[in-house]
Amino acid sequence: RKEVEQDPGPFNVPEGATVAFNCTYSNSASQSFFWYRQDCRKEPKLLMSVYSSGNEDGRFTAQLNRASQYISLLIRDSKLSDSATYLCAVTNSGYSTLTFGKGTMLLVSP
Amino acid sequence: DADVTQTPRNRITKTGKRIMLECSQTKGHDRMYWYRQDPGLGLQLIYYSFDVKDINKGEISDGYSVSRQAQAKFSLSLESAIPNQTALYFCATSDPRLAEETQYFGPGTRLLVL
Repeated sequence: RKEVEQDPGPFNVPEGATVAFNCTYSNSASQSFFWYRQDCRKEPKLLMSVYSSGNEDGRFTAQLNRASQYISLLIRDSKLSDSATYLCAVTNSGYSTLTFGKGTMLLVSP
Repeated sequence: DADVTQTPRNRITKTGKRIMLECSQTKGHDRMYWYRQDPGLGLQLIYYSFDVKDINKGEISDGYSVSRQAQAKFSLSLESAIPNQTALYFCATSDPRLAEETQYFGPGTRLLVL
């Protein structure tokens, strides 16, 4: 089993749609979780951290399920500008390195 | 000015050549990282450094070496470049004093090895 797995997509959705991404991780000792956004051939940029209680930032909601070892990202009211690849990242136990998933591509169409 | 900069932004080189990619940061972070990204493979950690005197291998360090010249500078070298090192290379930094130690990435270096 790979350490961090994501559905590669692409997810094709119309503007205004709600879309959800999941990410599973294998290291039960992981402590910190993040969602990054990466535009084509650009650097990843932090979208949001993921807290145990779940957290929301505008149209974006992140959830963590430690028992099942997955994190999720929900995007409501999708915009054309949301088109990008979304990477989940998980810390490795005992260190502060991150393991990244391969990313899920989102394409929002008019 | 960008907090994390990388030079060069694009590089074409030939098999067997030695090249160096440089990363500088003005964020004051102690921790720095080098990743490579290949299409469909995500980000893979090459080397990381938690302070000037601490260098660690990542998951794919073979064929690479690094130098941490100062807190703000972390260089990646390809001793003898080969075509399968063609990739997009990112430098990143983080601050362990923060409750959530997120990583901040430079703009990347596109490397083509012929």
